[in-house]
Amino acid sequence: DIVMTQTPLSSPVALGQPASISCRSSQSLVHSDGNTYLSWLQQRPGQPPRLLIYKISNRFSGVPDRFSGSGAGTDFTLKISRVEAEDVGIYYCMQGTQFPLTFGGGTKVEIK
Amino acid sequence: EVQLLESGGGLVQPGGSLRLSCAASGFSFSNYAMAWVRQAPGKGLEWVTGLSGSATSTYYADSVKGRFTISRDNSENTLYLQMSSLRAEDTAVYYCAKGQGTVRPHTLGVWGQGTTVTVSS
Repeated sequence: DIVMTQTPLSSPVALGQPASISCRSSQSLVHSDGNTYLSWLQQRPGQPPRLLIYKISNRFSGVPDRFSGSGAGTDFTLKISRVEAEDVGIYYCMQGTQFPLTFGGGTKVEIK
Repeated sequence: EVQLLESGGGLVQPGGSLRLSCAASGFSFSNYAMAWVRQAPGKGLEWVTGLSGSATSTYYADSVKGRFTISRDNSENTLYLQMSSLRAEDTAVYYCAKGQGTVRPHTLGVWGQGTTVTVSS
């Protein structure tokens, strides 16, 4: 199974400041079809997960442009350019390249 | 608007069975792979199973293989999860999710609100 490792575990950020979350996979996420199926999801308190970013850097419908994704191969990053109060929650990376699909352990973003 | 509505959760004894349903609306259901993902209390996300739009391909996590069965009724726009031989460690909120592709649920674009399954005597 592909292991997804996220850092940090927790990220206290002041409002308006940037935040960055890293995700590393135990093997390359490049699929045989040429795509890299690395997604980022947000889970606000008491809510279901919500897709933010797919295939490394594509923002899903309705996602604010302060969220961006980057990376390649086994190393990926989610950045929030200016954290807002509604961004509080747990962020997960997920790989869809190989079954079983696997998630990172989550990074908690909170306001400092 | 794309919507997924899960139902069927509840309290069940160890060794028992339960069937979850996920009613889909707002998109052409048969054109998309679907998946179930669960979240144990206070824990992270765990992918459980998925299947293609035509239901010809199914995928399972090792932890549920042989005990859970995923299926779909494209005429009713409904996804199912039949769970048997349930264990305490299956206790979780179960989410239904819509894949972005037809064959493999490689990206989970829309999620339901979840239904809670509790396995306890």
